[in-house]
Amino acid sequence: EIVLTQSPGTLSLSPGERATLSCRASQSVSSSYLAWYQQKPGQAPRLLIYEASTRATGIPDRFSGGGSGTDFTLTVSRLEPEDFAVYYCQHYGSSTRAFGQGTKVEIK
Amino acid sequence: EVQLVESGGGLVQPGRSLRLSCTGSGFTFGGSAITWFRQAPGKGLEWVGFIGSEAYGGTIQYAASVQGRFTISRDDSKSIAHLQMSSLKTEDTAVYYCSRGSGWCDYWGHGTLVTVSS
Repeated sequence: EIVLTQSPGTLSLSPGERATLSCRASQSVSSSYLAWYQQKPGQAPRLLIYEASTRATGIPDRFSGGGSGTDFTLTVSRLEPEDFAVYYCQHYGSSTRAFGQGTKVEIK
Repeated sequence: EVQLVESGGGLVQPGRSLRLSCTGSGFTFGGSAITWFRQAPGKGLEWVGFIGSEAYGGTIQYAASVQGRFTISRDDSKSIAHLQMSSLKTEDTAVYYCSRGSGWCDYWGHGTLVTVSS
């Protein structure tokens, strides 16, 4: 079973700053099977990135994903007020799917 | 516009059953896999299971935590998927979401709250 560990748990930043979120897998995973979601309070998750680095439809280019093997990263180049939220990484394997515990990006 | 709408949530006693529905519109429902996720109050996201499209054999998979208790089905003629939950436990209390896709999921419903309590 693959376990995803996200860090940090909370990221305190100001609008305009760069956010770098980490997702580490307990074993090597294919980049084709790694996604990132954003969730705001009271809302459903929103797909940001799939296949580790492909932006979903309508996602601004300030969001980017990268990484391979066991280490993946979501970067928000310049935080906008609407970007303060919880972010989850997800692995989708052949018979299961796993989420990280989430990183909260809060306003400093 | 792609939409997914869950319904059927509510308060249920431990050990009882409940059926959730997920109605899709704005896309070819029959050609899409549907995945169920849940989120316990104040907690993270958990995958529940998915049902593939008939074109891909209608494969169904479940998380270990619900295997044998939950059943996913679909009726493409009505653009609806169901999550039949039985032998419910207090730890099944969560907001349940349906979404389009089997791996990464690009559209999600707003969720329906299931509370398991005596």
